[in-house]
Amino acid sequence: AQSVAQPEDQVNVAEGNPLTVKCTYSVSGNPYLFWYVQYPNRGLQFLLKYITGDNLVKGSYGFEAEFNKSQTSFHLKKPSALVSDSALYFCAVRDGEAAGNKLTFGGGTRVLVKP
Amino acid sequence: DTAVSQTPKYLVTQMGNDKSIKCEQNLGHDTMYWYKQDSKKFLKIMFSYNNKELIINETVPNRFSPKSPDKAHLNLHINSLELGDSAVYFCASSQVVDSPLDQETQYFGPGTRLLVL
Repeated sequence: AQSVAQPEDQVNVAEGNPLTVKCTYSVSGNPYLFWYVQYPNRGLQFLLKYITGDNLVKGSYGFEAEFNKSQTSFHLKKPSALVSDSALYFCAVRDGEAAGNKLTFGGGTRVLVKP
Repeated sequence: DTAVSQTPKYLVTQMGNDKSIKCEQNLGHDTMYWYKQDSKKFLKIMFSYNNKELIINETVPNRFSPKSPDKAHLNLHINSLELGDSAVYFCASSQVVDSPLDQETQYFGPGTRLLVL
């Protein structure tokens, strides 16, 4: 079984301040972890992923995430948020040792960046 | 060029009708998916096809039937539509085999907003 938790429904941050969106996961095997962003009335856009290697992953639009195996977390971060980062963010996990390519998504976190 | 496209973008229909949503990807991927996003934005996989073969089939009512005429297309046919089917349906694709640099990344279409009245 695999699951993802995004404990915050919404995160509010002032423009220019650091942004963190939290994600914890549970899988039986090796976790493959992903972050996606959804702008209003749009599809999901891929931001970054962790499959193996360096625990700090850098992605699109200045976002990064750190894989922490002991805390089973994969928090998304951006050093300086922009108003245009306001969107819905999804964390997703796949069990790398399971057959198939099933992604399980968290419930999403809405980010609001205020000018 | 749109990588993953879906038609229609919006679909408003009456209960009991049968409708289809089409999806096409021009990324050359070997695997395609259908996801359902409910009114609370919760996203859940419905089906996955690899090279026209069904590999993931979640607990979806059998009124939903995916069809993959070739590996670039995955259509979703829904029979006897119900109010609870109202949602946004997303198609996605990925390259699962022989793609170590981009393996596992799923690319999503723009979504089809289905409203059942």
